[in-house]
Amino acid sequence: QVQLVESGGGLVKPGGSLRLSCAASGFTFSDYYMTWIRQAPGMGLESVSYISSSGSTIYYADSVKGRFTISRDNAKNSLFLQMNSLRAEDTAVYYCARDGRGSYDFDYWGQGTPVTVSS
Amino acid sequence: DIQMTQSPSSVSASVGDRVTITCRASQGISSWVAWYQQKPGKAPKLLIFAASNLQSGVPPRFSGSGSGTDFTLTISSLQPEDFATYYCQQANSFPFTFGGGTKVEIK
Repeated sequence: QVQLVESGGGLVKPGGSLRLSCAASGFTFSDYYMTWIRQAPGMGLESVSYISSSGSTIYYADSVKGRFTISRDNAKNSLFLQMNSLRAEDTAVYYCARDGRGSYDFDYWGQGTPVTVSS
Repeated sequence: DIQMTQSPSSVSASVGDRVTITCRASQGISSWVAWYQQKPGKAPKLLIFAASNLQSGVPPRFSGSGSGTDFTLTISSLQPEDFATYYCQQANSFPFTFGGGTKVEIK
């Protein structure tokens, strides 16, 4: 069965860095576009970044552009989000999700990994 | 960015009720809307894609409609497991913006 398992979240000081990982299983990872979506405490959902199956096409939200980098390792069935220069407003649960049809809707999600940016 | 305005923000309903949630896009997006259900502490779950297509495994009491700028999610007969927060999402262009959510509560 399809599984997405995030890791790498935690508590970090403003200006610090974290690298999130998403381990995929149960499907041919290299065939699917993937995304990171976050949810601040008690708030709604925000699209962070999106990557094509080959990694050749990448999008970033304006709020993270220049600070976050999405990448993938298709040989290791893994998706990553490198987060630098973290700010308090980056505090959220970060979900990785699969674009099942290449149509920008997301049929499988991980359980999320929490990121807290605080001094 | 395309804005998605969802209403109501909350609704109180009883088991068996029909519940309708609406979403309005700030510009025309054809049928590129998805709907998700989220329960506390859990990831969102895809219910509807391309405005009216039921995701595999989702009960048929859920339905979606609309095109252009106005979209609707309907739960035909609310069940106890349906009490949750629902989000629309535009799937037309990045950033894939979400509505503010509708919390469906027990009356």
